[in-house]
Amino acid sequence: GAGVSQSPSNKVTEKGKDVELRCDPISGHTALYWYRQSLGQGLEFLIYFQGNSAPDKSGLPSDRFSAERTGGSVSTLTIQRTQQEDSAVYLCASSIRQANYGYTFGSGTRLTVV
Amino acid sequence: AQTVTQSQPEMSVQEAETVTLSCTYDTSESDYYLFWYKQPPSRQMILVIRQEAYKQQNATENRFSVNFQKAAKSFSLKISDSQLGDAAMYFCAYRSGIGNQAGTALIFGKGTTLSVSS
Repeated sequence: GAGVSQSPSNKVTEKGKDVELRCDPISGHTALYWYRQSLGQGLEFLIYFQGNSAPDKSGLPSDRFSAERTGGSVSTLTIQRTQQEDSAVYLCASSIRQANYGYTFGSGTRLTVV
Repeated sequence: AQTVTQSQPEMSVQEAETVTLSCTYDTSESDYYLFWYKQPPSRQMILVIRQEAYKQQNATENRFSVNFQKAAKSFSLKISDSQLGDAAMYFCAYRSGIGNQAGTALIFGKGTTLSVSS
């Protein structure tokens, strides 16, 4: 696609429920990144994919968080048993393999856990 | 580990004036890249300007320029002739150049909220 697409744009969920956040990167971008932006904070790195593999999962905050990428394209970030502290904007970005020119970001999913 | 610090949570500027946003970083690497991103209320992060550490010349993109001081590990953003549309949150980011691979994540500061008044 022309840009990085994320869905849903906003999600309100009850504490304890599972949620899935979707990211559709720019066609041809082999690298995909997930970040979390909490209120008043910078962007916290969660996970990186190169193709379908995730060589760096170091940023996932707990085992309730998981992510996958299929076909080297769409990625899904899943949060199980959501907690109120999971409320944040989840941003996805993609890049060509050599990302010296930075990433292209989507508009994010605002997750609110009530 | 590398860190990025933006010491100004909020800044304000009048239209047509110039404003400088500060950013410092900590690294032991000599090869890296620095970025400024703008995040308007739409939430989408927009790349404003980038700097390669091996280049001494400061990057410039129209009204946006940087003052890159490698020895001081400082990377400030200057916005000239400020416009109402410049109002946004601005993030400074660092990327290691080691391996020149896409997998090296961007490390972000906490951002500076810029307001522009007419």
